[in-house]
Amino acid sequence: GAVVSQHPSWVICKSGTSVKIECRSLDFQATTMFWYRQFPKQSLMLMATSNEGSKATYEQGVEKDKFLINHASLTLSTLTVTSAHPEDSSFYICSASGVRRGGGLYNEQFFGPGTRLTVL
Amino acid sequence: QKEVEQDPGPLSVPEGAIVSLNCTYSNSAFQYFMWYRQYSRKGPELLMYTYSSGNKEDGRFTAQVDKSSKYISLFIRDSQPSDSATYLCAMSRGETSGSRLTFGEGTQLTVNP
Repeated sequence: GAVVSQHPSWVICKSGTSVKIECRSLDFQATTMFWYRQFPKQSLMLMATSNEGSKATYEQGVEKDKFLINHASLTLSTLTVTSAHPEDSSFYICSASGVRRGGGLYNEQFFGPGTRLTVL
Repeated sequence: QKEVEQDPGPLSVPEGAIVSLNCTYSNSAFQYFMWYRQYSRKGPELLMYTYSSGNKEDGRFTAQVDKSSKYISLFIRDSQPSDSATYLCAMSRGETSGSRLTFGEGTQLTVNP
């Protein structure tokens, strides 16, 4: 399978500050990246879908001005949580899909290891 | 009604047991079916990926899809304590690369030594 990394793996910040999370595809071109949020003992909640070079598409109820997503290259997408508050504390996971090595397209998504955000 | 239903468990089995995990779905447009394994505080790891109906085997894991019944299964043979994790089924229409996934709630599995 393909490899996706995330950085940082965990972050603690003060209320009101902004936090940037990076998601990278290491061995394939990620034409589409997804950002999820996961609360304890719950399934993944899709926040937004981003295609390289385009604006992200946000799910209903997700504030686009609070969760800024940039997908400027075929290997990197970033999620910035602006003016973070304690209720934004969660586990954020990205996934990616795109072009297979050797040609063809992936239909499956490959997930990063996740970023645990704690806002004090 | 949810598009994908999955029993959250928890499911506890002894080491060596055969584990059966299942999901049902309501949307007949789903064509691609996946099983992910998620360890605590980690991202999901793709275990099995199948297209349309049929069986697929990979080592101790077998995935089955029955589109006529809208039912998918994951079987784990000779289960090991290291299989203890949450198992998520996921599916998509697959019109384009990286189509949106619809997930089940996940089943928490514990394999006891």
